[in-house]
Amino acid sequence: DAKTTQPNSMESNEEEPVHLPCNHSTISGTDYIHWYRQLPSQGPEYVIHGLTSNVNNRMASLAIAEDRKSSTLILHRATLRDAAVYYCILRDCTGTASKLTFGTGTRLQVTL
Amino acid sequence: GAVVSQHPSWVICKSGTSVKIECRSLDFQATTMFWYRQFPKQSLMLMATSNEGSKATYEQGVEKDKFLINHASLTLSTLTVTSAHPEDSSFYICSAPPGQGLLNTEAFFGQGTRLTVV
Repeated sequence: DAKTTQPNSMESNEEEPVHLPCNHSTISGTDYIHWYRQLPSQGPEYVIHGLTSNVNNRMASLAIAEDRKSSTLILHRATLRDAAVYYCILRDCTGTASKLTFGTGTRLQVTL
Repeated sequence: GAVVSQHPSWVICKSGTSVKIECRSLDFQATTMFWYRQFPKQSLMLMATSNEGSKATYEQGVEKDKFLINHASLTLSTLTVTSAHPEDSSFYICSAPPGQGLLNTEAFFGQGTRLTVV
């Protein structure tokens, strides 16, 4: 699986937007970009995913660079409940295995 | 949305005993489930792939005789930690991807099981 690189940690103030970057310079044409987050003592939960175009859902937005070598997860208004570890994962859509390979992720701290 | 339920959420056991962890897909069928292990302050590490009706596939370095996986039905996979030791204490998480063959869909995770071996 192609690797991703994320900052180890980031901080944000509550009610402010947060941009979480992810580099994936070795991404292949068939890789989808997935984002999951893990709150303390819980299993990961899905946030968003995309292939080439920017994506929006109720939780976040995903901005994908034109060359697809990087992406940014955008939380429009961070809340204390958004404090979690955010994982950027590439998922090959052509293989038969659909396992997710987790990197180290970004630990987001949200303060008042 | 699809739900994956994991039980128990936490367990404490004595060294040398075995512990069984269940993972159920509540509203969809899963021919494949994945088992992860997570140590404190670390990321999730894939242990094995559970396949309904066939043997599990283990990742390199994971002892298949110690971590027994049984995928008895399309909605249930179990992980049994045999002869548990303190170094097996960890957070175990299962995952099931719905929509088999649709690899651009989201995966769903159980809430995790905190195993403490004393």
